[in-house]
Amino acid sequence: AQRVTQPEKLLSVFKGAPVELKCNYSYSGSPELFWYVQYSRQRLQLLLRHISRESIKGFTADLNKGETSFHLKKPFAQEEDSAMYYCALRAPGNTGKLIFGQGTTLQVKP
Amino acid sequence: DTEVTQTPKHLVMGMTNKKSLKCEQHMGHRAMYWYKQKAKKPPELMFVYSYEKLSINESVPSRFSPECPNSSLLNLHLHALQPEDSALYLCASSLRGLAGYQDTQYFGPGTRLTVL
Repeated sequence: AQRVTQPEKLLSVFKGAPVELKCNYSYSGSPELFWYVQYSRQRLQLLLRHISRESIKGFTADLNKGETSFHLKKPFAQEEDSAMYYCALRAPGNTGKLIFGQGTTLQVKP
Repeated sequence: DTEVTQTPKHLVMGMTNKKSLKCEQHMGHRAMYWYKQKAKKPPELMFVYSYEKLSINESVPSRFSPECPNSSLLNLHLHALQPEDSALYLCASSLRGLAGYQDTQYFGPGTRLTVL
């Protein structure tokens, strides 16, 4: 079965410190993976897609098929990065269904 | 217009009431979704419409009834809800709703529903 695991409920770092939000997935085919972010009182919004290999707001994520991971990284955290982050896997088949991890709250302290 | 909009923002209803949630997008997306999100939890998929046809129903109780009148509009009709149905209801849309197409889902702000 497809599954997404985010092992940390809460990650607390100081401003300027590096950040790594972990995401592991369980899927036998070629995964489609996403990171979504939900800032306080704002809508859920796409941060990254693995296929784009882009960097948004200084965040990057690399798909590691060997370790079945898609960790989100940023070299220097900012206070405005404080939010809930969800890793998501698109389920196979032509349904568009997203399977979300449980989410990690990132708290960046001044 | 590049956003998904949802109305109302907040809704309080009794267990015997009938109400509806509305979702709209004008991005030409042909797939629309309803999710339920409890506090500090990830969104849980409820329904998917693809080209105005219901393609996924995640075993949602019949007191929730979705409707897709056209490609831009998605409704969720509510009847005889329970207090445990109180949650944030999110609508999303994507271009085609197909896997393997990097079909990104764009979310609305949600309707916060309280059932008394």
